Amino acid sequence: SYVLTQAPSVSVAPGQTARISCGGDNIGGKSVHWYQQKPGQAPVLAVYDDNDRPLGIPERFSGSNSGNTATLTISRIEAGDEADYYCQVWDDSTDHPVFGRGTRLTVL
Amino acid sequence: QVELVESGGDLVKPGGSLRLSCAVSGFTFSDHFMSWIRQSPGKGLEWVSYISDDSRYTAYADSVKGRFTISRDNGKNSLYLQMHSLSAEDSATYYCARVGESGAVAELDYWGQGTLVTVSS
Repeated sequence: SYVLTQAPSVSVAPGQTARISCGGDNIGGKSVHWYQQKPGQAPVLAVYDDNDRPLGIPERFSGSNSGNTATLTISRIEAGDEADYYCQVWDDSTDHPVFGRGTRLTVL
Repeated sequence: QVELVESGGDLVKPGGSLRLSCAVSGFTFSDHFMSWIRQSPGKGLEWVSYISDDSRYTAYADSVKGRFTISRDNGKNSLYLQMHSLSAEDSATYYCARVGESGAVAELDYWGQGTLVTVSS
């Protein structure tokens, strides 16, 4: 089955830019979705289809996807962005969705 | 507004059964695939199952295949997950989620708040 690799943690100072990566074999050929999960809350869709934002998600959130890496970029980091971020794709070999193991974003 | 509300989570003994429900509102339920996703305490997200808009297609993670059954009642705007032969590894918060417009491959665009299942003697 398809494996997505995420770093366990990323730390960024307020006002800086956070880049959270999601690695997978030729992931650039897939649509990548990103979810934000704040402590004690349900996940929320943050970016879908590589770089589209649902209504209500700030423009500070953007995505890119090429080759073997997809990236969620959060600019002008705020304390409220502190959360776990999960990438997700559709695994064509199993016809199932698959999640990365998540990256914890800490705002310093 | 779109709302998904799970219920049915409980403490159950190993080998036991449980039925989870998800009541939805704010959108045309019969237009969307739906999914269940679970999260063990302190762990990541694990997809469990999905069902097509018309219930014709279902799919399960290998970890639950043969033990869990997903179903829906479009007339009641409700999604269900029947769980049998539960073990400690099934202990988790279970979320129902709406699948986006593109069918099974789409994003999970709305999530409920989750219901906690604890399997312990």
